[in-house]
Amino acid sequence: NAGVTQTPKFRVLKTGQSMTLLCAQDMNHEYMYWYRQDPGMGLRLIHYSVGEGTTAKGEVPDGYNVSRLKKQNFLLGLESAAPSQTSVYFCAAGALNTGELFFGEGSRLTVL
Amino acid sequence: KQEVTQIPAALSVPEGENLVLNCSFTDSAIYNLQWFRQDPGKGLTSLLLIQSSQREQTSGRLNASLDKSSGRSTLYIAASQPGDSATYLCAAPRRANFGNEKLTFGTGTRLTIIP
Repeated sequence: NAGVTQTPKFRVLKTGQSMTLLCAQDMNHEYMYWYRQDPGMGLRLIHYSVGEGTTAKGEVPDGYNVSRLKKQNFLLGLESAAPSQTSVYFCAAGALNTGELFFGEGSRLTVL
Repeated sequence: KQEVTQIPAALSVPEGENLVLNCSFTDSAIYNLQWFRQDPGKGLTSLLLIQSSQREQTSGRLNASLDKSSGRSTLYIAASQPGDSATYLCAAPRRANFGNEKLTFGTGTRLTIIP
């Protein structure tokens, strides 16, 4: 039982390049989230989804897009990467009944 | 807007001691309160979840309490071990934002257990 799996775990991009981070969950949870974690700033919500086919903006959505075509997958895209997007990205899945969150191991992105 | 504060930012204690980590929040109308553990380079692991109607939860050597009226939660760790060394974070979503879409995390307490 993998829980929440993120791919890739590490990536280095040049400014202006695009990429997609994939989050997959096997717990059948309705809610999924993308956070970024930066030193001294804690976890900040980028985008979230309350169900298949739905997405919504979080606290810091600019420069990112997301899609939730299947319930188990939540994709985070960067269309034109910027150095300010260097961070560790975490995906989480949330249980509808309790609100408990389950996190992936993180994806470390460096934009040069 | 919910604000979550964890003090101190870092704590070092000798192995075997009992310790308490603190979490305070500004909006007491919370849906639940969660405590997480994060090891270096890893994701967050859920430790304890306290629903808004509960006062405490226990798991092994861990006990979390919740006092909504004072806007505080504490995580008590008994008989600390070097393996407890990690960063501990709390999160308190407001009831008005069911589904945790506005889940606010504290910046964490970095705990070091000295052998």
